[in-house]
Amino acid sequence: NAGVMQNPRHLVRRRGQEARLRCSPVKGHSHVYWYRQLPEEGLKFMVYLQKENIIDESGMPKERFSAEFPKEGPSILRIQQVVRGDSAAYFCASSPPVITEAFFGQGTRLTVV
Amino acid sequence: DAKTTQPPSMDCAEGRAANLPCNHSTISGNEYVYWYRQIHSQGPQYIIHGLKNNETNEMASLIITEDRKSSTLILPHATLRDTAVYYCIVQNSGGSNYKLTFGKGTLLTVNP
Repeated sequence: NAGVMQNPRHLVRRRGQEARLRCSPVKGHSHVYWYRQLPEEGLKFMVYLQKENIIDESGMPKERFSAEFPKEGPSILRIQQVVRGDSAAYFCASSPPVITEAFFGQGTRLTVV
Repeated sequence: DAKTTQPPSMDCAEGRAANLPCNHSTISGNEYVYWYRQIHSQGPQYIIHGLKNNETNEMASLIITEDRKSSTLILPHATLRDTAVYYCIVQNSGGSNYKLTFGKGTLLTVNP
């Protein structure tokens, strides 16, 4: 069984470019979450999505960040006009409809140069 | 903000039991205790969770005190691959139980 798949694993962007991070949840999971881990810090919740719906985006920065989970295809976390402070590991997690535990992917490490 | 307190680091000898404590004195009646771990450069991994009874699975045991104000995660025979940051998280069983609040966790180092 495939777990949560994130790609790319490593992403380098210049300041001002856009970053797109992809997450394919565990097959059959309808809930997706994104977390960010800044260097030397803990994981912080960003957003919770179900198919075609954003349920809770209370942890998302107000500007430049957006997330979607379309009916078909992976969930996308999009960061526009990246800045050096966006450099972090971004983890995606998924869970089944009855939420018991979250399954995390291996993360995407974004480096902004 | 995390509702738990954990020691920042612990050491354990390979093959011995690792006992990781967690204080959650403000836990409420509908909140579960969850444990996750994060091995360096990897995504967090679920270990175990419980409400008030002790729990055991293939990875670990969870002992929750009767007043539920603290708990201990036990890795019965620690291996070098168990070196990781261990997070104790309290999470309710209601509609907002999807949001995990990670604190700083305990860095467990298993030594040969």
